[in-house]
Amino acid sequence: QKEVEQNSGPLSVPEGAIASLNCTYSDRGSQSFFWYRQYSGKSPELIMFIYSNGDKEDGRFTAQLNKASQYVSLLIRDSQPSDSATYLCAVNWRDTGTASKLTFGTGTRLQVTL
Amino acid sequence: EAQVTQNPRYLITVTGKKLTVTCSQNMNHEYMSWYRQDPGLGLRQIYYSMNVEVTDKGDVPEGYKVSRKEKRNFPLILESPSPNQTSLYFCASSLTSGYLQETQYFGPGTRLLVL
Repeated sequence: QKEVEQNSGPLSVPEGAIASLNCTYSDRGSQSFFWYRQYSGKSPELIMFIYSNGDKEDGRFTAQLNKASQYVSLLIRDSQPSDSATYLCAVNWRDTGTASKLTFGTGTRLQVTL
Repeated sequence: EAQVTQNPRYLITVTGKKLTVTCSQNMNHEYMSWYRQDPGLGLRQIYYSMNVEVTDKGDVPEGYKVSRKEKRNFPLILESPSPNQTSLYFCASSLTSGYLQETQYFGPGTRLLVL
């Protein structure tokens, strides 16, 4: 069973600070990694994906991947109250044949305080 | 507008009464999937489909059926619902099921309560 682990939180950060969200995964062969944001009662929406070791930046968001440590993180700079949501880490791995599967973590709840 | 739609959005039913949740996408995506989301358990895949007439079990398929007769539609069928199927259900689609999987786009969700 492939596993994706996240701290459930809540992670509380003041407005304007950097929020750091972490995720570990069990399948060393996993190749692609996704961060989704989910507001309460809403559907997940993609924030970023990353395939290669290192950092990938998109606006206030930076995804970091370390395949040797099986670790992926999401940094949110200048956190805003509108960033308050649950952040889901998802890891893609190859299933039988040509199909691939996406396994989600249980999510980290982020609270940005005024 | 590119989107995944689900119906109904909310459903209250009783044990044993067959129901169908519809899912449709207008992006010509090959890959479609159903998930359920429960507190503390995250999103778990029920079934997926790589293309028309090609479906396979996900992690929690028991008690569910699916079909894929048309590319755009992927209904989820509960033949005899039970209270443990009370959950929030999401349909998702992506362009293909390649290993470096493209982004999955999620529908708005269907909240199901089985009494």
